[in-house]
Amino acid sequence: DQQVKQNSPSLSVQEGRISILNCDYTNSMFDYFLWYKKYPAEGPTFLISISSIKDKNEDGRFTVFLNKSAKHLSLHIVPSQPGDSAVYFCAASVAGGGADGLTFGKGTHLIIQP
Amino acid sequence: DAMVIQNPRYQVTQFGKPVTLSCSQTLNHNVMYWYQQKSSQAPKLLFHYYDKDFNNEADTPDNFQSRRPNTSFCFLDIRSPGLGDAAMYLCATSRGTRDRVNFGAGTRLSVL
Repeated sequence: DQQVKQNSPSLSVQEGRISILNCDYTNSMFDYFLWYKKYPAEGPTFLISISSIKDKNEDGRFTVFLNKSAKHLSLHIVPSQPGDSAVYFCAASVAGGGADGLTFGKGTHLIIQP
Repeated sequence: DAMVIQNPRYQVTQFGKPVTLSCSQTLNHNVMYWYQQKSSQAPKLLFHYYDKDFNNEADTPDNFQSRRPNTSFCFLDIRSPGLGDAAMYLCATSRGTRDRVNFGAGTRLSVL
């Protein structure tokens, strides 16, 4: 049973436009959310995160929005650039002490078209 | 640069032949993780160490074992690899629960 869902396996966006990647979760215990970016033959690299006490976090061209009532988060990339073409993973972790690891979605392959 | 290093990047083994994947870190992080990622699937946590404390996920097969002899190194042992164990294996570290997880480049395992 998938607790973190990325329902779009791929997304194609024109260079310069906004890319919006979506993620839904089912576990109400998740309180910390992250986005990772992965190029082929490389490990995922951290992009941006958000705590459940916030509804928005911005870092340069990247903004993550969190809607706790809908159990939904989204990553906005504005403007989209060719180097943004990659697989984007949404991940979440559960509150509490110790190290719980991250629960990942299956990823969305973002393709930026020139 | 401080990083998470996985060796080798590609590993081929035979069905049933034990194999060990290696991971080292220069970040001095407390936590080290092993994830398995099959094609078009989400990375799946197999187990992790918080310092010397080993935490196994409930659905990780007994075929998979891990060792962490010191802070810097962590090993994934697959005792009798099956064809279904062919995957990308990602090692990762974090300082603690609330810190970002840093991944290595992964080892792609093929089972013949």
